[in-house]
Amino acid sequence: QSALTQPASVSGSPGQSITISCTGTNSDVGAYNYVSWYQQYPGKAPKLMIYDVTERPSGVSNRFSGSKSANTASLTISGLQAEDEANYYCCSYAGSPTYWVFGGGTKLTVL
Amino acid sequence: EVQLVESGGGWVQPGGSLRLSCAASGFTYKNYVMRWVRQAPGKGLEWVSSVGSSGGSTYYADSVKGRFTISRDNSKNTLYLQMNSLRAEDTAVYYCASGGVVVTSNNAFDNWGQGTMVTVSS
Repeated sequence: QSALTQPASVSGSPGQSITISCTGTNSDVGAYNYVSWYQQYPGKAPKLMIYDVTERPSGVSNRFSGSKSANTASLTISGLQAEDEANYYCCSYAGSPTYWVFGGGTKLTVL
Repeated sequence: EVQLVESGGGWVQPGGSLRLSCAASGFTYKNYVMRWVRQAPGKGLEWVSSVGSSGGSTYYADSVKGRFTISRDNSKNTLYLQMNSLRAEDTAVYYCASGGVVVTSNNAFDNWGQGTMVTVSS
């Protein structure tokens, strides 16, 4: 069982917006503004999409945005495109002795 | 271009050992924290270990503590993971990842290698 809880799957039609939730505790998500999100295609390495809750690396589309409220972080993808179909993982810093925890992953299907 | 290339994976029997390497290029390697993350077949990501920029500070997940050792050679721009007493549940793709190279914060895994597969089976 993963430390952070994500829905197993979400889906949306092209052009729509979807949100993936990531629920932790007041020892990880709620304690630090160090939540990050990763996109992973099957058989490929993960790619950083959001860091420090809301920040977007250079080159990542502004259709991707992050937020956090209490112990739950969220990734929103607006204007869904076929290329967004992938697995998405959240991650949070959790301090000593756990350090880093990941969510179980969410499979995004673009209908 | 920032690049991380893992090697050293393979098949090993339970109780055996393996050493993974991760060659870094395209950035000043000695300045950044480095990490290992693994992914069991069909499963999610799991943080395994981290090492500070100088190599003096190391951190481990409970699942590998006492069996795995992370280290780095800043003269060779290379990260290592020595894995001993391997178990079937250690079977996974092992990725090395950097912190703070591509983005200003080192509180994320900002660049990843392509991964190397480790299979522990009799």
